[in-house]
Amino acid sequence: GQNIDQPTEMTATEGAIVQINCTYQTSGFNGLFWYQQHAGEAPTFLSYNVLDGLEEKGRFSSFLSRSKGYSYLLLKELQMKDSASYLCAVRDRSSSGAGSYQLTFGKGTKLSVIP
Amino acid sequence: DTEVTQTPKHLVMGMTNKKSLKCEQHMGHRAMYWYKQKAKKPPELMFVYSYEKLSINESVPSRFSPECPNSSLLNLHLHALQPEDSALYLCASTPGQNTGELFFGEGSRLTVL
Repeated sequence: GQNIDQPTEMTATEGAIVQINCTYQTSGFNGLFWYQQHAGEAPTFLSYNVLDGLEEKGRFSSFLSRSKGYSYLLLKELQMKDSASYLCAVRDRSSSGAGSYQLTFGKGTKLSVIP
Repeated sequence: DTEVTQTPKHLVMGMTNKKSLKCEQHMGHRAMYWYKQKAKKPPELMFVYSYEKLSINESVPSRFSPECPNSSLLNLHLHALQPEDSALYLCASTPGQNTGELFFGEGSRLTVL
């Protein structure tokens, strides 16, 4: 995945809804992932999109438009524990290994949930 | 068992030391990865092993030497590191190299003095 772009920081209120956008430019697209990472911890998997449309999983939803190179992560009913970095990652054809795919992460969006 | 376990959790080493980071998974995954993450930066891919063979090396300096003794284990041997190599080293696995989401270990935080 190359040129993965997402906002650096966002702030939202407890109980509200927040949308984190991600745009990408890549070749050999093979899926888009969202991960959550709390400070000092490893990333944890949230969602995966490979076809256009919306995937819903509890309070989290993720949307993909392959033609627009665009995805968003929607978090509903925000809780204080949702304060974390959210990483958009794209799996695409690797330049380092023939026939291989690799996952490349965006810089992440630091979400702060305030009371 | 859906865990990827990494040891040690913390490591401090001098520039002349030789040490190793270890990673283990028992999910039957056939692809394993090493990522490096500096503070406030995203994880950066270092190596990918697929079916115990090195599949991707992202032009990593030779002072980092990966090893995959079997399908459940992945090591990263460290020698003559530099202070700028201090980072969180994350191991991850997937069912196959091109399928499924990455399952990450908790990471090994390395400090090079």
